[in-house]
Amino acid sequence: QKEVEQDPGPLSVPEGAIVSLNCTYSNSAFQYFMWYRQYSRKGPELLMYTYSSGNKEDGRFTAQVDKSSKYISLFIRDSQPSDSATYLCAMRSSNTGKLIFGQGTTLQVKP
Amino acid sequence: DAGITQSPRYKITETGRQVTLMCHQTWSHSYMFWYRQDLGHGLRLIYYSAAADITDKGEVPDGYVVSRSKTENFPLTLESATRSQTSVYFCASSESRGLYGYTFGSGTRLTVV
Repeated sequence: QKEVEQDPGPLSVPEGAIVSLNCTYSNSAFQYFMWYRQYSRKGPELLMYTYSSGNKEDGRFTAQVDKSSKYISLFIRDSQPSDSATYLCAMRSSNTGKLIFGQGTTLQVKP
Repeated sequence: DAGITQSPRYKITETGRQVTLMCHQTWSHSYMFWYRQDLGHGLRLIYYSAAADITDKGEVPDGYVVSRSKTENFPLTLESATRSQTSVYFCASSESRGLYGYTFGSGTRLTVV
């Protein structure tokens, strides 16, 4: 079993929809949670960063962490065609610098 | 230009050849990483380095060699390329043990024929 599980999709939604992307993990030591966005033929870029449990909002994006369920989510409101990309979750514990990545979910937002 | 740059962007090489992928960062980040990205596997860590002259294996190190004589450079060498090493390679860097995540380069698309 992988430490971080993420459904690869693809996920296709109409423009304006609310998108929910999720990851589950098995290591209870994970404390730092991130979401990266990767456009085609580009490197991943950091989108959201969360420490421990709770919610964090940034514009149309909300990151949610539920440590009791070992489950993290990224919500995208009013999705746009420019949001079409692969979204990777990543996480790490406090005693290591190594991020563990999910497989990535490919999202397509259709106009 | 400030940032993290990888070269070349694209490379085709033959089986058995040695090939080196370059990575250069301008922030003096202490940590640097090499990942490969393949369909069905996501990002897999090959090697990482906590500082100059300190390197360690990641998840898939076999067939790869790294060095880090200077903080800003972290080259990855495939000693004898195999078709299974056809992939997209990403270099990344971070400060403070990746406390705020990594910054990635644009990648090198390597094809071994």
